[in-house]
Amino acid sequence: AQKITQTQPGMFVQEKEAVTLDCTYDTSDPSYGLFWYKQPSSGEMIFLIYQGSYDQQNATEGRYSLNFQKARKSANLVISASQLGDSAMYFCAMREGRTGANNLFFGTGTRLTVIP
Amino acid sequence: DAGVIQSPRHEVTEMGQEVTLRCKPISGHDYLFWYRQTMMRGLELLIYFNNNVPIDDSGMPEDRFSAKMPNASFSTLKIQPSEPRDSAVYFCASSLGRNNSPLHFGNGTRLTVT
Repeated sequence: AQKITQTQPGMFVQEKEAVTLDCTYDTSDPSYGLFWYKQPSSGEMIFLIYQGSYDQQNATEGRYSLNFQKARKSANLVISASQLGDSAMYFCAMREGRTGANNLFFGTGTRLTVIP
Repeated sequence: DAGVIQSPRHEVTEMGQEVTLRCKPISGHDYLFWYRQTMMRGLELLIYFNNNVPIDDSGMPEDRFSAKMPNASFSTLKIQPSEPRDSAVYFCASSLGRNNSPLHFGNGTRLTVT
């Protein structure tokens, strides 16, 4: 079974609008971390936001927030006030366990296009 | 902070040749990861090290691939002999050993094997 599922291959959003990128995960480990990365067309992988499985509140970083629904095993990324520079691939990833000793499992990504 | 440094940025080689990719992790990071990205398979973990020791190499495709980390500031990924199906972007990443530590990626090496 896939550990990370991103069901939206592509998404479009109007500039200045908000957009939600979906991510569901599968793990039996009670301790895990969820990450979102952005990959612009230039190719680098940019870390955006982190949510721990025991965190009580949804993570926020500037215009990025993570809608964490533990019972549904979903960790959707919300981008508010979209900008043209937000056009990129977005990857959801998960690390299982209590330490940083395990690798990140990545989803297949969602390509976001911001329309002027 | 210089970030993770990979070289070369681009590599074009002929089938059968040896290819060596290089990585310098962020100073102080004790985990180093090698990932491969292709359109068909997405981001795949090849191998990762903790304190220079290989921990999990189950993602290494076959014996043609090998990775080393002789010290805390340098790692190599070698493909010998290279094949066209090895064409991909190879990323090196490093992190601290905490669950909330993100992976910090290098800019990647785009490998083309003709």
